[in-house]
Amino acid sequence: DTGVSQDPRHKITKRGQNVTFRCDPISEHNRLYWYRQTLGQGPEFLTYFQNEAQLEKSRLLSDRFSAERPKGSFSTLEIQRTEQGDSAMYLCASSLGTSGINEQYFGPGTRLTVT
Amino acid sequence: GENVEQHPSTLSVQEGDSAVIKCTYSDSASNYFPWYKQELGKRPQLIIDIRSNVGEKKDQRIAVTLNKTAKHFSLHITETQPEDSAVYFCAANSGRGGFKTIFGAGTRLFVKA
Repeated sequence: DTGVSQDPRHKITKRGQNVTFRCDPISEHNRLYWYRQTLGQGPEFLTYFQNEAQLEKSRLLSDRFSAERPKGSFSTLEIQRTEQGDSAMYLCASSLGTSGINEQYFGPGTRLTVT
Repeated sequence: GENVEQHPSTLSVQEGDSAVIKCTYSDSASNYFPWYKQELGKRPQLIIDIRSNVGEKKDQRIAVTLNKTAKHFSLHITETQPEDSAVYFCAANSGRGGFKTIFGAGTRLFVKA
């Protein structure tokens, strides 16, 4: 499968624990995005990378969230001290291009449940 | 801040009828407007997109229109089929360089056979 992959697909954790998710984009794609999606809502932008540089981060993202893309390939999203409100589907997407006009390809998502 | 509003939230049509979903956006610098289809339990997939230098684009049974002056754009699906049943999201690019994508809340489309 040469599409965007995410791991794990599901994660159940207790409140206060840290979790880390991984995203592997389509190999030649230089841009990588993280979104959060809750039931009945559209994907909510969290952050994006161009190669290894994190270029924009949502103001809605608290300091408990951090993302990295150390070698410009895969990316990780870490949530520290999880809260019940963090329960959601976390989607990763990637795209190729140097402008804002580019098709994003989504991964299957990681569903996080915080108990 | 940037915002995309989408209506209706739910739409039910008879097979063969047309469906129209409407969106408005707030960032006047937005120049790219994709539409995604998300089936239950699956990832969003791009079905059509339009750039700001074009007023209308068509791909088989799907068409999008854009009115930059009014900051609204619409998705039109003709001759709907049961397999068109899904959630549809409109989106607009925004932010520095236009790399951020802002999504609408989605429209759940039911096509009754």
